[in-house]
Amino acid sequence: EAQVTQNPRYLITVTGKKLTVTCSQNMNHEYMSWYRQDPGLGLRQIYYSMNVEVTDKGDVPEGYKVSRKEKRNFPLILESPSPNQTSLYFCASSSVFAYEQYFGPGTRLTVT
Amino acid sequence: TQLLEQSPQFLSIQEGENLTVYCNSSSVFSSLQWYRQEPGEGPVLLVTVVTGGEVKKLKRLTFQFGDARKDSSLHITAAQPGDTGLYLCAGEIDSWGKLQFGAGTQVVVTP
Repeated sequence: EAQVTQNPRYLITVTGKKLTVTCSQNMNHEYMSWYRQDPGLGLRQIYYSMNVEVTDKGDVPEGYKVSRKEKRNFPLILESPSPNQTSLYFCASSSVFAYEQYFGPGTRLTVT
Repeated sequence: TQLLEQSPQFLSIQEGENLTVYCNSSSVFSSLQWYRQEPGEGPVLLVTVVTGGEVKKLKRLTFQFGDARKDSSLHITAAQPGDTGLYLCAGEIDSWGKLQFGAGTQVVVTP
């Protein structure tokens, strides 16, 4: 089954404790992206990757890092999480740029 | 600042009624996508429109891309409870990976 998986689905952590949210897709897609979703703001793009070792900033990259060492994986790293990073995070992938993306199930992160 | 403005923010209608959701911007998009999101899940793509003036139909859903490629609309005919969800439009600005989403329109269809 074609899918995008994210782990963990739920995470509660404390300010400053480094964390990684994993994202993996099994569709051999070149393009992958991370978004955060906040009430009233919709989805905002954090980072995206056009291919292995090629990443670029979206609209809200501050406080986040990403890496793309393999085509299927695109982890999101929060080096020092802060409460304003409490949000619902989605990973997505597509075969061509940002065209027709497939989204993962989401990761709800709470930073206290 | 939201690049894509969706209206209305919330829409509650009875089964069988029609509804229209709008997505507007001052920017030109190379493509525009519509997604539906249900609680606890990620958005699911409904349609992509690319050409100005393009109209696409998906069963009871009709999508239109403005001639200038700055706006779009989603029309649902004879809405059903299964159409309930958050409808999101997303515009691709430069075909190089950056995607802008609207804040969404929450649609509730009651039996």
